[in-house]
Amino acid sequence: GQQLNQSPQSMFIQEGEDVSMNCTSSSIFNTWLWYKQDPGEGPVLLIALYKAGELTSNGRLTAQFGITRKDSFLNISASIPSDVGIYFCAGQYNNAGNMLTFGGGTRLMVKP
Amino acid sequence: DAGVTQSPTHLIKTRGQHVTLRCSPISGHKSVSWYQQVLGQGPQFIFQYYEKEERGRGNFPDRFSARQFPNYSSELNVNALLLGDSALYLCASSLAFFRQGTEAFFGQGTRLTVV
Repeated sequence: GQQLNQSPQSMFIQEGEDVSMNCTSSSIFNTWLWYKQDPGEGPVLLIALYKAGELTSNGRLTAQFGITRKDSFLNISASIPSDVGIYFCAGQYNNAGNMLTFGGGTRLMVKP
Repeated sequence: DAGVTQSPTHLIKTRGQHVTLRCSPISGHKSVSWYQQVLGQGPQFIFQYYEKEERGRGNFPDRFSARQFPNYSSELNVNALLLGDSALYLCASSLAFFRQGTEAFFGQGTRLTVV
């Protein structure tokens, strides 16, 4: 099925470093969402974006809804060991209910 | 408040068998969606139900079916299991069919292994 193009696929960084990941699509979405998934768990919502150009923060996390509505990025500042996990972007259409289209995920590993 | 609860958490089935997975949404949520997550990939949409009616279906074969009950809980059924059906099955609930600001919240998933 269709998936968003998410990059990078994995990152191995030092604690304290900043992280940036992004997601692109060939389709326009009305809402962009960023989730984090820990092993054996379901995805947990981090940030939701509703308007093109919108920049939203949640603690050390900042995400932006691209102007073209076909992309989004997520930044994590001053990474800590508990940031380890898989980050997924997801796009949502207004007329498709809660059907989400997910990216392939970015696996983040943090070295203390 | 309890989150989205799924049962069982793990199960092992043999090829050709049938399986039923269950989901209880967050209290007050009327919409339930099902996703399949194969190892190493993002979740793939299977079904969406709102007010006991199917409102969307992903690109999955007819072996997959679901329903939503009057109390808004839901079941996902898979017939004639194949090895490729091995995956984490996620249930998500939301307050409404779609309204910006009413995002989907996921359960912990059911890990299905087909041998």
